[in-house]
Amino acid sequence: SAVISQKPSRDICQRGTSLTIQCQVDSQVTMMFWYRQQPGQSLTLIATANQGSEATYESGFVIDKFPISRPNLTFSTLTVSNMSPEDSSIYLCSARLRNEKLFFGSGTQLSVL
Amino acid sequence: GENVEQHPSTLSVQEGDSAVIKCTYSDSASNYFPWYKQELGKGPQLIIDIRSNVGEKKDQRIAVTLNKTAKHFSLHITETQPEDSAVYFCAASWDSNYQLIWGAGTKLIIKP
Repeated sequence: SAVISQKPSRDICQRGTSLTIQCQVDSQVTMMFWYRQQPGQSLTLIATANQGSEATYESGFVIDKFPISRPNLTFSTLTVSNMSPEDSSIYLCSARLRNEKLFFGSGTQLSVL
Repeated sequence: GENVEQHPSTLSVQEGDSAVIKCTYSDSASNYFPWYKQELGKGPQLIIDIRSNVGEKKDQRIAVTLNKTAKHFSLHITETQPEDSAVYFCAASWDSNYQLIWGAGTKLIIKP
Protein backbone atom coordinates (compact mmCIF):
# COMPACT_ATOMS: atom_id res chain seq x y z
CA SER A 1 0.00 0.00 0.00
CA ALA A 2 0.99 3.66 0.10
CA VAL A 3 0.60 6.70 2.28
CA ILE A 4 -0.79 9.60 0.27
CA SER A 5 -0.69 12.88 2.15
CA GLN A 6 -3.13 15.47 0.89
CA LYS A 7 -3.56 18.94 2.23
CA PRO A 8 -5.47 20.92 3.16
CA SER A 9 -8.06 18.45 4.42
CA ARG A 10 -10.75 21.10 4.17
CA ASP A 11 -11.13 24.76 3.38
CA ILE A 12 -13.80 27.40 3.08
CA CYS A 13 -13.09 29.90 0.33
CA GLN A 14 -14.60 33.03 -1.09
CA ARG A 15 -15.99 33.22 -4.60
CA GLY A 16 -13.40 34.32 -7.16
CA THR A 17 -10.37 33.12 -5.23
CA SER A 18 -8.13 30.12 -5.94
CA LEU A 19 -7.05 27.17 -3.81
CA THR A 20 -4.06 24.91 -4.36
CA ILE A 21 -4.22 21.34 -3.06
CA GLN A 22 -1.02 19.41 -2.50
CA CYS A 23 -0.47 15.68 -2.73
CA GLN A 24 2.63 13.74 -1.64
CA VAL A 25 3.09 9.98 -2.07
CA ASP A 26 5.56 7.98 -0.02
CA SER A 27 6.03 5.11 -2.48
CA GLN A 28 7.19 4.43 -5.99
CA VAL A 29 4.53 5.92 -8.22
CA THR A 30 3.82 5.32 -11.88
CA MET A 31 0.81 7.59 -12.36
CA MET A 32 -1.02 10.27 -10.39
CA PHE A 33 -4.61 11.40 -10.84
CA TRP A 34 -7.02 14.00 -9.51
CA TYR A 35 -10.67 13.19 -8.92
CA ARG A 36 -13.72 15.18 -7.85
CA GLN A 37 -16.48 13.70 -5.76
CA GLN A 38 -19.75 15.53 -5.24
CA PRO A 39 -21.57 14.75 -1.95
CA GLY A 40 -23.18 11.33 -2.12
CA GLN A 41 -21.87 10.72 -5.63
CA SER A 42 -19.28 8.58 -7.32
CA LEU A 43 -15.81 9.63 -8.41
CA THR A 44 -15.19 11.76 -11.51
CA LEU A 45 -11.73 11.88 -13.01
CA ILE A 46 -10.49 15.42 -13.55
CA ALA A 47 -7.09 14.72 -15.06
CA THR A 48 -3.96 12.62 -15.14
CA ALA A 49 -0.99 14.48 -13.73
CA ASN A 50 2.03 13.96 -15.99
CA GLN A 51 5.52 14.43 -14.65
CA GLY A 52 7.20 17.40 -16.25
CA SER A 53 4.50 18.04 -18.83
CA GLU A 54 0.95 19.26 -19.13
CA ALA A 55 -1.73 17.21 -17.47
CA THR A 56 -4.21 15.21 -19.51
CA TYR A 57 -7.71 16.49 -18.84
CA GLU A 58 -10.98 14.62 -19.10
CA SER A 59 -13.97 15.97 -20.95
CA GLY A 60 -15.51 18.88 -19.10
CA PHE A 61 -12.34 19.93 -17.30
CA VAL A 62 -9.88 22.54 -18.61
CA ILE A 63 -6.41 23.63 -17.65
CA ASP A 64 -7.37 27.26 -17.03
CA LYS A 65 -9.84 26.20 -14.35
CA PHE A 66 -7.87 23.28 -12.87
CA PRO A 67 -4.15 23.81 -13.45
CA ILE A 68 -2.13 20.81 -12.32
CA SER A 69 1.57 20.43 -11.69
CA ARG A 70 3.70 17.37 -11.12
CA PRO A 71 7.32 18.46 -10.76
CA ASN A 72 8.53 15.02 -9.68
CA LEU A 73 7.36 11.42 -9.47
CA THR A 74 5.73 11.61 -6.04
CA PHE A 75 4.32 15.15 -5.75
CA SER A 76 1.46 16.92 -7.48
CA THR A 77 -0.74 19.97 -6.98
CA LEU A 78 -4.22 20.82 -8.18
CA THR A 79 -5.42 24.42 -8.23
CA VAL A 80 -9.09 25.26 -8.36
CA SER A 81 -9.16 28.71 -9.94
CA ASN A 82 -11.67 31.54 -9.84
CA MET A 83 -13.92 29.48 -7.62
CA SER A 84 -17.70 29.58 -7.58
CA PRO A 85 -20.14 27.75 -5.29
CA GLU A 86 -20.47 25.05 -7.97
CA ASP A 87 -16.86 24.07 -7.25
CA SER A 88 -17.80 23.01 -3.73
CA SER A 89 -16.87 19.35 -3.64
CA ILE A 90 -14.36 16.81 -2.38
CA TYR A 91 -11.14 16.69 -4.37
CA LEU A 92 -9.12 13.49 -4.22
CA CYS A 93 -5.55 12.78 -5.18
CA SER A 94 -4.73 9.23 -6.24
CA ALA A 95 -1.63 7.34 -7.26
CA ARG A 96 -1.01 4.11 -9.10
CA LEU A 97 1.92 2.21 -7.69
CA ARG A 98 4.32 -0.16 -9.39
CA ASN A 99 2.05 -3.05 -8.29
CA GLU A 100 -0.57 -1.42 -10.54
CA LYS A 101 -2.99 -0.79 -7.69
CA LEU A 102 -4.63 2.61 -7.26
CA PHE A 103 -4.60 4.35 -3.88
CA PHE A 104 -6.24 7.55 -2.68
CA GLY A 105 -5.46 10.40 -0.36
CA SER A 106 -7.92 11.41 2.33
CA GLY A 107 -9.39 14.17 0.21
CA THR A 108 -9.90 17.92 0.42
CA GLN A 109 -13.39 19.09 1.28
CA LEU A 110 -13.87 22.46 -0.39
CA SER A 111 -16.72 24.84 0.34
CA VAL A 112 -17.07 28.02 -1.73
CA LEU A 113 -19.18 30.84 -0.37
CA GLY B 1 -17.56 3.18 -23.85
CA GLU B 2 -17.52 1.14 -20.68
CA ASN B 3 -20.37 1.53 -18.23
CA VAL B 4 -20.58 0.07 -14.73
CA GLU B 5 -23.89 -0.32 -12.93
CA GLN B 6 -23.94 -1.00 -9.20
CA HIS B 7 -26.80 -2.28 -7.05
CA PRO B 8 -28.26 -1.72 -4.57
CA SER B 9 -27.68 1.95 -3.83
CA THR B 10 -28.36 1.30 -0.15
CA LEU B 11 -28.11 -1.99 1.74
CA SER B 12 -29.06 -2.47 5.36
CA VAL B 13 -28.16 -5.76 7.06
CA GLN B 14 -28.20 -7.08 10.59
CA GLU B 15 -24.83 -7.34 12.29
CA GLY B 16 -23.47 -10.82 11.76
CA ASP B 17 -25.36 -11.38 8.52
CA SER B 18 -23.84 -11.37 5.05
CA ALA B 19 -23.95 -8.51 2.55
CA VAL B 20 -23.72 -8.79 -1.22
CA ILE B 21 -23.20 -5.89 -3.63
CA LYS B 22 -23.41 -6.48 -7.39
CA CYS B 23 -21.96 -4.69 -10.38
CA THR B 24 -22.41 -5.23 -14.08
CA TYR B 25 -20.14 -3.94 -16.81
CA SER B 26 -20.72 -3.40 -20.50
CA ASP B 27 -17.30 -3.82 -22.13
CA SER B 28 -16.38 -7.49 -22.49
CA ALA B 29 -12.73 -6.42 -22.83
CA SER B 30 -12.66 -5.29 -19.18
CA ASN B 31 -10.33 -7.49 -17.19
CA TYR B 32 -9.59 -5.71 -13.89
CA PHE B 33 -12.21 -5.21 -11.18
CA PRO B 34 -11.32 -3.51 -7.87
CA TRP B 35 -13.57 -2.73 -4.92
CA TYR B 36 -13.13 0.30 -2.69
CA LYS B 37 -14.52 1.16 0.72
CA GLN B 38 -15.05 4.80 1.63
CA GLU B 39 -15.73 5.83 5.19
CA LEU B 40 -17.16 9.23 5.99
CA GLY B 41 -14.59 11.98 5.59
CA LYS B 42 -11.96 9.67 4.10
CA GLY B 43 -10.68 8.75 0.68
CA PRO B 44 -11.60 5.42 -0.96
CA GLN B 45 -9.61 2.45 0.30
CA LEU B 46 -8.83 -0.52 -1.93
CA ILE B 47 -10.17 -3.63 -0.18
CA ILE B 48 -9.95 -6.33 -2.84
CA ASP B 49 -9.49 -6.69 -6.57
CA ILE B 50 -9.82 -9.44 -9.14
CA ARG B 51 -8.61 -10.03 -12.65
CA SER B 52 -10.55 -11.77 -15.38
CA ASN B 53 -8.43 -14.91 -15.31
CA VAL B 54 -9.76 -15.66 -11.81
CA GLY B 55 -13.35 -16.48 -10.88
CA GLU B 56 -13.18 -15.81 -7.17
CA LYS B 57 -10.85 -14.24 -4.62
CA LYS B 58 -11.11 -14.17 -0.85
CA ASP B 59 -9.51 -12.14 1.89
CA GLN B 60 -10.76 -13.03 5.35
CA ARG B 61 -14.41 -11.93 5.54
CA ILE B 62 -14.57 -10.41 2.07
CA ALA B 63 -14.70 -12.11 -1.29
CA VAL B 64 -15.24 -11.08 -4.87
CA THR B 65 -16.75 -13.28 -7.57
CA LEU B 66 -16.61 -12.68 -11.30
CA ASN B 67 -18.88 -14.05 -14.02
CA LYS B 68 -17.32 -13.06 -17.33
CA THR B 69 -20.10 -14.58 -19.40
CA ALA B 70 -22.77 -12.52 -17.69
CA LYS B 71 -20.40 -9.58 -17.25
CA HIS B 72 -21.02 -9.09 -13.60
CA PHE B 73 -18.99 -9.22 -10.40
CA SER B 74 -20.01 -9.15 -6.78
CA LEU B 75 -18.60 -8.25 -3.38
CA HIS B 76 -19.49 -10.57 -0.52
CA ILE B 77 -18.96 -9.61 3.11
CA THR B 78 -19.63 -12.29 5.70
CA GLU B 79 -20.18 -11.91 9.45
CA THR B 80 -20.72 -8.18 9.06
CA GLN B 81 -19.53 -5.88 11.82
CA PRO B 82 -20.34 -2.23 12.64
CA GLU B 83 -17.03 -1.13 11.15
CA ASP B 84 -18.16 -2.47 7.77
CA SER B 85 -20.61 0.44 7.54
CA ALA B 86 -19.37 2.60 4.66
CA VAL B 87 -19.92 3.36 0.99
CA TYR B 88 -18.56 0.69 -1.34
CA PHE B 89 -17.58 1.38 -4.94
CA CYS B 90 -16.90 -1.12 -7.68
CA ALA B 91 -14.87 -0.26 -10.76
CA ALA B 92 -13.71 -1.83 -14.00
CA SER B 93 -11.03 -1.29 -16.57
CA TRP B 94 -9.58 -3.21 -19.46
CA ASP B 95 -6.20 -3.18 -17.83
CA SER B 96 -5.03 -2.21 -14.37
CA ASN B 97 -2.94 0.53 -15.98
CA TYR B 98 -5.92 2.18 -17.61
CA GLN B 99 -8.67 4.42 -16.36
CA LEU B 100 -11.15 2.94 -13.94
CA ILE B 101 -14.85 3.26 -14.71
CA TRP B 102 -16.69 3.60 -11.43
CA GLY B 103 -20.00 2.32 -10.17
CA ALA B 104 -22.37 4.72 -8.42
CA GLY B 105 -21.65 3.33 -4.96
CA THR B 106 -23.55 1.35 -2.33
CA LYS B 107 -24.15 2.66 1.16
CA LEU B 108 -23.88 -0.31 3.51
CA ILE B 109 -25.55 0.06 6.89
CA ILE B 110 -24.90 -2.53 9.58
CA LYS B 111 -27.69 -2.62 12.14
CA PRO B 112 -26.68 -3.57 15.69
